[in-house]
Amino acid sequence: NAGVMQNPRHLVRRRGQEARLRCSPMKGHSHVYWYRQLPEEGLKFMVYLQKENIIDESGMPKERFSAEFPKEGPSILRIQQVVRGDSAAYFCASSPSGGAYEQYFGPGTRLTVT
Amino acid sequence: GIQVEQSPPDLILQEGANSTLRCNFSDSVNNLQWFHQNPWGQLINLFYIPSGTKQNGRLSATTVATERYSLLYISSSQTTDSGVYFCAAGGGNTDKLIFGTGTRLQVFP
Repeated sequence: NAGVMQNPRHLVRRRGQEARLRCSPMKGHSHVYWYRQLPEEGLKFMVYLQKENIIDESGMPKERFSAEFPKEGPSILRIQQVVRGDSAAYFCASSPSGGAYEQYFGPGTRLTVT
Repeated sequence: GIQVEQSPPDLILQEGANSTLRCNFSDSVNNLQWFHQNPWGQLINLFYIPSGTKQNGRLSATTVATERYSLLYISSSQTTDSGVYFCAAGGGNTDKLIFGTGTRLQVFP
């Protein structure tokens, strides 16, 4: 039973480029969460999605960041025109439903902006 | 929203020692999880424990929801226990987890 998968594990982008991070939830899970961990800090919530719906995007920066979870395929977190401050570890989690369910975390994608 | 505080911020132990990590949360929760982030950055689920007590090997956790705190116990610590331990809570009308700032544990041989 495969866990949450994220790719790539490491991503290097130059300032101004686009970054695309992918997350495949655990089998049977239809709820996906994205969290960001800046260096030497805890994780901060970004966005919560179900298939084809954004449920809560209260943690997403207003500009340059977007997320989707299509009917088929992985969830995508997209960062346009990256800046050095976007360098962080981005974790995806999944759960079988919303509410009081355990969230299972993937290994993370470490984004470095040069 | 919910606020999560962890203590102590740093903990240094010799191998074989026991320790208790604390997590306080400001409101009622329906989700409480403990994680271990190892030195390579990997986040490992330890416990899902919105209430009650659970044990897994040398680790155990207790959440007293009415008093808004959770404890993580590590017994007979090993060098592989080193890393940062995070507590995260969720509740109310939101499903997102709010993370504490973590307890950094170093275990020396």
